[in-house]
Amino acid sequence: DVKVTQSSRYLVKRTGEKVFLECVQDMDHENMFWYRQDPGLGLRLIYFSYDVKMKEKGDIPEGYSVSREKKERFSLILESASTNQTSMYLCASSVPDYRNTEAFFGQGTRLTVV
Amino acid sequence: RKEVEQDPGPFNVPEGATVAFNCTYSNSASQSFFWYRQDCRKEPKLLMSVYSSGNEDGRFTAQLNRASQYISLLIRDSKLSDSATYLCVVNESGTYKYIFGTGTRLKVLA
Repeated sequence: DVKVTQSSRYLVKRTGEKVFLECVQDMDHENMFWYRQDPGLGLRLIYFSYDVKMKEKGDIPEGYSVSREKKERFSLILESASTNQTSMYLCASSVPDYRNTEAFFGQGTRLTVV
Repeated sequence: RKEVEQDPGPFNVPEGATVAFNCTYSNSASQSFFWYRQDCRKEPKLLMSVYSSGNEDGRFTAQLNRASQYISLLIRDSKLSDSATYLCVVNESGTYKYIFGTGTRLKVLA
């Protein structure tokens, strides 16, 4: 059974803090993704990675960076958290075959920036 | 125009009803299509992939119309447990990116 695990379910951070969201998958998937989900806006892609040390900006990368030092781990970094980054963050992974290959999601991290 | 568009609902239907959701996508070269289900405060999970010829899984039927660029999901004999948000997902052609619709909320009433 594929498992994508995010390090925290809930986080509360202060404005200006550096925040790390960690994601680990156990299925040897090459592709990993970070999305944020907001009411009325759906899931929006922040960054994705198709291999170790490889990354590509998604639709809303501003204010975020990522790190993929090992195949199984993909970290999302908020360099200086702001209140508009309060959101649900979802990590996902998939194999590198876009033909009807599903993405598997972690349980999500609900981040509140105060 | 959004890349993937869905009616947000909510759709409130009685148990046993048949309900259909539609989704349109803008990129005619899109290759893969999915329906995901998301329960409140949970992560999205794959409900079914959508194949060109249409496909069925129990009470659920998915259809793809490439000419009109829309995808549909039909749920027959709705159950209370079908209450959730249904996300239409398109895999962007030539990349590994998944593009999500904003979801359609379904509430099945007793």
